[in-house]
Amino acid sequence: NAGVTQTPKFQVLKTGQSMTLQCAQDMNHNSMYWYRQDPGMGLRLIYYSASEGTTDKGEVPNGYNVSRLNKREFSLRLESAAPSQTSVYFCASSDSWQFFGPGTRLTVL
Amino acid sequence: AQSVSQHNHHVILSEAASLELGCNYSYGGTVNLFWYVQYPGQHLQLLLKYFSGDPLVKGIKGFEAEFIKSKFSFNLRKPSVQWSDTAEYFCAVTTPYNNNDMRFGAGTRLTVKP
Repeated sequence: NAGVTQTPKFQVLKTGQSMTLQCAQDMNHNSMYWYRQDPGMGLRLIYYSASEGTTDKGEVPNGYNVSRLNKREFSLRLESAAPSQTSVYFCASSDSWQFFGPGTRLTVL
Repeated sequence: AQSVSQHNHHVILSEAASLELGCNYSYGGTVNLFWYVQYPGQHLQLLLKYFSGDPLVKGIKGFEAEFIKSKFSFNLRKPSVQWSDTAEYFCAVTTPYNNNDMRFGAGTRLTVKP
């Protein structure tokens, strides 16, 4: 099992550009999550999907959109990137507790 | 919404020293509690969790945590740390009414000197 995988690992964007972060899990979990990790702030939940076909806002959803493509895949889209979105993004999936992916380090110039 | 406080931002210990990392949460009802560890350059991994039952929870790699409901605390302990325990440690909480909304503390960076 690969667990939770994320692509890309690194990305540099210019302000205003758009991009989609991809996440997939092979553990047959219903719930999936997107977090951002910033120094001194821990992880903050952006969006989550409790099941295929549903998505809900987390603590910091502004500037992001998500798509639960199927049970395995949950993508995060930045329509117009801003420097404040420079962060490390983690995807996770869960049954009783959350399993995390390796992260995507995003820099917005 | 619930919140989590980790008061120690950076802890530096020598090998074989004992460790206790503080975690307090703000929610008056039933909670599920977690400790995750992030080794340098790696993703978060679950160390241990508490859902119910015995408030003293044992996890991997010799770690344990004690849930004290009256103090809203879930402190992480290890009797004797090793250099390989150098990592960042995150406390997290969910509630049964929305166990998808996990709130994390800011993290504690642990440096163990060989």
